[in-house]
Amino acid sequence: DTGVSQNPRHKITKRGQNVTFRCDPISEHNRLYWYRQTLGQGPEFLTYFQNEAQLEKSRLLSDRFSAERPKGSFSTLEIQRTEQGDSAMYLCASGVTGISYEQYFGPGTRLTVT
Amino acid sequence: QQQVKQSPQSLIVQKGGISIINCAYENTAFDYFPWYQQFPGKGPALLIAIRPDVSEKKEGRFTISFNKSAKQFSLHIMDSQPGDSATYFCAARTSGSRLTFGEGTQLTVNP
Repeated sequence: DTGVSQNPRHKITKRGQNVTFRCDPISEHNRLYWYRQTLGQGPEFLTYFQNEAQLEKSRLLSDRFSAERPKGSFSTLEIQRTEQGDSAMYLCASGVTGISYEQYFGPGTRLTVT
Repeated sequence: QQQVKQSPQSLIVQKGGISIINCAYENTAFDYFPWYQQFPGKGPALLIAIRPDVSEKKEGRFTISFNKSAKQFSLHIMDSQPGDSATYFCAARTSGSRLTFGEGTQLTVNP
């Protein structure tokens, strides 16, 4: 499968714990995006990288959230001191710099904070 | 602030019918308008997209109609099939390439 992959697919954690998600983009895609989707809503942009540079962050990305893409390939999204409001589907997408800026999404990581 | 408004919230269509989903936007700086299809438990899948210099784009049974002056665009699904039952999202690209999504339309196609 050459699509975007995300791990884990599901994560249940207790409030206050830290969690980390991983995204592996489509090979050769230099852009990588993180979105968050709550039930019944469309995805909301969190941040994106071009190669290893983090070019934009949403105001939704509080100080407890941090994302990295150290070698311009896979990316990690860490949430520190999780809160119940962090429960959501975390989606990763990848794309290539160019005219269309198409974004291809992975299956997501479902986070449940108890 | 909701920058892309999508309607209807839910839609029920008979097999073989036409499904129409509408979106309206406010930001004239948007320059790319994709539609995504999402099945339960899956990530959104890119369906079709259009740029504002084109009024219509067709791919198979899926057509986007775009009205730049009205700041509206719509997805038409011809000959709707039960397998098309899913949630559909319109989106628009803002500066910096982030996508702003609509609220979604849950489509049910009855056999």
